[in-house]
Amino acid sequence: EDQVTQSPEALRLQEGESSSLNCSYTVSGLRGLFWYRQDPGKGPEFLFTLYSAGEEKEKERLKATLTKKESFLHITAPKPEDSATYLCAVQAGGNFNKFYFGSGTKLNVKP
Amino acid sequence: NAGVTQTPKFRVLKTGQSMTLLCAQDMNHEYMYWYRQDPGMGLRLIHYSVGEGTTAKGEVPDGYNVSRLKKQNFLLGLESAAPSQTSVYFCASSFPSYEQYFGPGTRLTVT
Repeated sequence: EDQVTQSPEALRLQEGESSSLNCSYTVSGLRGLFWYRQDPGKGPEFLFTLYSAGEEKEKERLKATLTKKESFLHITAPKPEDSATYLCAVQAGGNFNKFYFGSGTKLNVKP
Repeated sequence: NAGVTQTPKFRVLKTGQSMTLLCAQDMNHEYMYWYRQDPGMGLRLIHYSVGEGTTAKGEVPDGYNVSRLKKQNFLLGLESAAPSQTSVYFCASSFPSYEQYFGPGTRLTVT
């Protein structure tokens, strides 16, 4: 069964304290892995797409990496405005019309 | 360019009542999706559409119906609302196999 698990559920960091969020997945043939940011009361906002193991993408203080079983979202020197819930989603090769989402990691960055 | 819009933003229904949620996108996307988001469970796919006039079931379709009469619109209907359908509903759109763009969500409470 296709499944996506994110950890930790919640993460509290001090401003400038770097860390990583994890997304582990079991799918029948990964077609793509997506990272989104979701602010309270809003819809998810697209951040990155990763397609193959070894691939990396960067945007400002965020860097996403992908292995055959998991993806990491590295946050370098975070700022309070990085506080949000980060969602991971996978697109399985068996039915590329369907996306499976993890339950997210709620990040809180304190000044 | 409004992106993805959803109507209404909030709604309270009594058990057994019916309603329709409207999603509209102006990005000429082929694919559209309806998700529900519940605490601790992440986004779950209800129904999706790969083009005008076509719809398909997602992970949790029971109790919902959809229609895609025009490419830019995707409607989600609840024929007889139940308390278990209390949730936040998100619509999304995309080109095939690419990232999804989400609307702002509809918060539905069924009493």
